[in-house]
Amino acid sequence: EAGVAQSPRYKIIEKRQSVAFWCNPISGHATLYWYQQILGQGPKLLIQFQNNGVVDDSQLPKDRFSAERLKGVDSTLKIQPAKLEDSAVYLCASSLGGGWDTDTQYFGPGTRLTVL
Amino acid sequence: AQSVTQLGSHVSVSEGALVLLRCNYSSSVPPYLFWYVQYPNQGLQLLLKYTSAATLVKGINGFEAEFKKSETSFHLTKPSAHMSDAAEYFCAVSAPRGGANNLFFGTGTRLTVIP
Repeated sequence: EAGVAQSPRYKIIEKRQSVAFWCNPISGHATLYWYQQILGQGPKLLIQFQNNGVVDDSQLPKDRFSAERLKGVDSTLKIQPAKLEDSAVYLCASSLGGGWDTDTQYFGPGTRLTVL
Repeated sequence: AQSVTQLGSHVSVSEGALVLLRCNYSSSVPPYLFWYVQYPNQGLQLLLKYTSAATLVKGINGFEAEFKKSETSFHLTKPSAHMSDAAEYFCAVSAPRGGANNLFFGTGTRLTVIP
């Protein structure tokens, strides 16, 4: 079974530029998550989708971050414009989406963003 | 609100020695608790999880953790460390509500195994 795919793996941009990350979840997984992991910290949830609807985006900085999952499969996370403090690893995860006792989140390898 | 505290950002053990990584949680509702491992340049992999069944949870690679409500702890142990266990370990807590299943992670513990 293929895992969660993310691209690009690395991205370097200058502040005030825009950037987009792509995620392809495990086939059949209804729930998709984007996390931000700043160096030396644990991952922090940015947004959770259930199919193509947003379940939780309370920690997404909506003035510069946006995310979509139009067809309920792939997802894109965008930052516009980027700030220095956005330098982090952006992790995508997916889960089946039903029955909390068995709903495990599976993580992709992440995209490492460096903002200069 | 949910949170976890991992005591010790770095832990070093000798190969063959006991591994003990500490995690304390705070939750306003009965929690689900998780341990994930992250190898360099890779995503997080689930080691084990507690979801209100047995308090002693066995995971992959010989790891286990015990849920102790009285101590609000969920420490990770392994009887004998192997070189391949060197990685970063994250404890996480969630309290699913409605459709949301947010994982709150600790700051991680980097495990070094000395030959």
